Amino acid sequence: DAKTTQPTSMDCAEGRAANLPCNHSTISGNEYVYWYRQIHSQGPQYIIHGLKNNETNEMASLIITEDRKSSTLILPHATLRDTAVYYCIVRVDGQNFVFGPGTRLSVLP
Amino acid sequence: NAGVMQNPRHLVRRRGQEARLRCSPMKGHSHVYWYRQLPEEGLKFMVYLQKENIIDESGMPKERFSAEFPKEGPSILRIQQVVRGDSAAYFCASSRGPGNTIYFGEGSWLTVV
Repeated sequence: DAKTTQPTSMDCAEGRAANLPCNHSTISGNEYVYWYRQIHSQGPQYIIHGLKNNETNEMASLIITEDRKSSTLILPHATLRDTAVYYCIVRVDGQNFVFGPGTRLSVLP
Repeated sequence: NAGVMQNPRHLVRRRGQEARLRCSPMKGHSHVYWYRQLPEEGLKFMVYLQKENIIDESGMPKERFSAEFPKEGPSILRIQQVVRGDSAAYFCASSRGPGNTIYFGEGSWLTVV
């Protein structure tokens, strides 16, 4: 079973930042937080992952709270092409990736 | 660097036939994972393989489904005597090792008629 809780759906205006929350209150010290997204009829796409520190790459930023019980994925300037289901996964090295239902993000023009 | 390659992208089979789905991992990756996504449902883990070894098959149905990842060539997911309930998207992913990020292919869509 997935160890994370995400809102079922969210809307975001095009050009604005999309902030997607994830709760992982039972996370253990050696579990990483991963984010993937799945655009309709495509394979899941890796976005970013982190352990303790905030991370940023060309796609997004990942903010992890100090107690690591929650995190936020930030898409700084959402476009229509960012409309997708976003999955937050916690995982120890060597474990399988378990996908929950994710958050359906709709970017609106 | 080519990504994970899956073929066929779309496959139609009649009930009772066999379906074979192939997955070539990314260059340098020796670990392969198969997931299934039923219509309007989430991704479900099926099996995790390393070259010539099945590491975890806890998500595989007990009958009719098998997977292999030979020393040479792609990983194969085989479904014997397909039924309508097997209609789904089957995604393959690969990684360099067990602790690494996995990257997905574009999927194979199986339709059983």
